[in-house]
Amino acid sequence: KNQVEQSPQSLIILEGKNCTLQCNYTVSPFSNLRWYKQDTGRGPVSLTIMTFSENTKSNRRYTATLDADTKQSSLHITASQLSDSASYICVVKFSGGYNKLIFGAGTRLAVHP
Amino acid sequence: EAQVTQNPRYLITVTGKKLTVTCSQNMNHEYMSWYRQDPGLGLRQIYYSMNVEVTDKGDVPEGYKVSRKEKRNFPLILESPSPNQTSLYFCASRDLGELFFGEGSRLTVL
Repeated sequence: KNQVEQSPQSLIILEGKNCTLQCNYTVSPFSNLRWYKQDTGRGPVSLTIMTFSENTKSNRRYTATLDADTKQSSLHITASQLSDSASYICVVKFSGGYNKLIFGAGTRLAVHP
Repeated sequence: EAQVTQNPRYLITVTGKKLTVTCSQNMNHEYMSWYRQDPGLGLRQIYYSMNVEVTDKGDVPEGYKVSRKEKRNFPLILESPSPNQTSLYFCASRDLGELFFGEGSRLTVL
């Protein structure tokens, strides 16, 4: 069964600290993986996309990694800020069909001062 | 500004009273879709549309209808809402695999 599992479900860290969110998937055949950030009460916004050939990609303080062999991705947040408090959603796309996206349930991150 | 606009943002209604949530995008995207988001379950696709007059069921289509008469609009229709349709709804358009979401519509069915 095609699934995307994220961990932890929720996380609390202090401002300025680093954290890593995990995404494991069983989707096959794999096309790409995106991380979205969803602020409370808002729609998700794409942070980064990882394709099969990419191992690491950075977007400001966010660094995403992908290991296509183990089917794992991580999102590392460096020097966290209060504005990083949000849910982070991992979404994996099938390569065989235009429509099919598989969503993770998300990790809810709270950054405290 | 490129955006997806949903209305209403908040709605409280009663069981059985038909309602429509509108969705409009100004990015000329062919693909549009509707999702519901419930605690612990993440985003689940209700319906999607590949283009005008082309719609198909997603993972949780029961109790919902959609139409795509124009490229920019993709309304979600609840003919006879029930309490289990209380949820946060998102409309999205898609380009090159990236989803562009609206701000969400929080629906409560009493």
